[in-house]
Amino acid sequence: QVTLRESGPALVKPTQTLTLTCTFSGFSLTKSEMCVNWIRQPPGKALEWLARIDWDDDKYYRTSLKTRLTISKDTSKNQVVLTMTNMDPVDTATYYCARSIVRSPTLDCWGQGTLVTVSS
Amino acid sequence: QSVLTQPPSVSAAPGQKVTISCSGSSSTIGNNYVSWYQQLPGTAPKLLIYDNDKRPSGIPDRFSGSKSGTSATLDITGLQTGDEADYYCGTWDRSLSTVVFGGGTKLTVL
Repeated sequence: QVTLRESGPALVKPTQTLTLTCTFSGFSLTKSEMCVNWIRQPPGKALEWLARIDWDDDKYYRTSLKTRLTISKDTSKNQVVLTMTNMDPVDTATYYCARSIVRSPTLDCWGQGTLVTVSS
Repeated sequence: QSVLTQPPSVSAAPGQKVTISCSGSSSTIGNNYVSWYQQLPGTAPKLLIYDNDKRPSGIPDRFSGSKSGTSATLDITGLQTGDEADYYCGTWDRSLSTVVFGGGTKLTVL
């Protein structure tokens, strides 16, 4: 059974750096073609894909946020970490991680999400 | 503004059929598989359709997907009140090398 769970601070101040962790089970990021993605959803708005890291450490980022995002993995802990610098109130959203495979846009398993509020 | 275009809302009566469209381009839907996600109120999105028209295990055959050219469609038949949710289409954008979503469609079962 594949599960993913997001964790991180519920509240961050403007200009701070956000660090979120996705802890997963039921699959391994050492297995060929496995990927983990980060997606966010501002309150009442649509889904926004943020980043993806592949089993072979290839990384992809949302174009408009590329300079602020870093995605990394710790295969020994089955974790993927997303950092976002210079947080702003417009970054307030529920952040999800989800699994996919290389050459497929399908996000087949999602975490429950974690709400991050940016406020002073 | 989303890369993929969906109608903001659709509605129909219980038992009826509804169609949700998703329009893209040659760099998105035109050259990639489309997925559909269902997001019930207050919950995480859930995969409904993948590879244009395939259903994951456990998804009833009331839900079906199709693709033609640069557009995709999600059909839901035999509508139930429990189908009230937001529905998103998604695919890969080969020019941006990113996943892209539609703006979401809110389904109301009257």
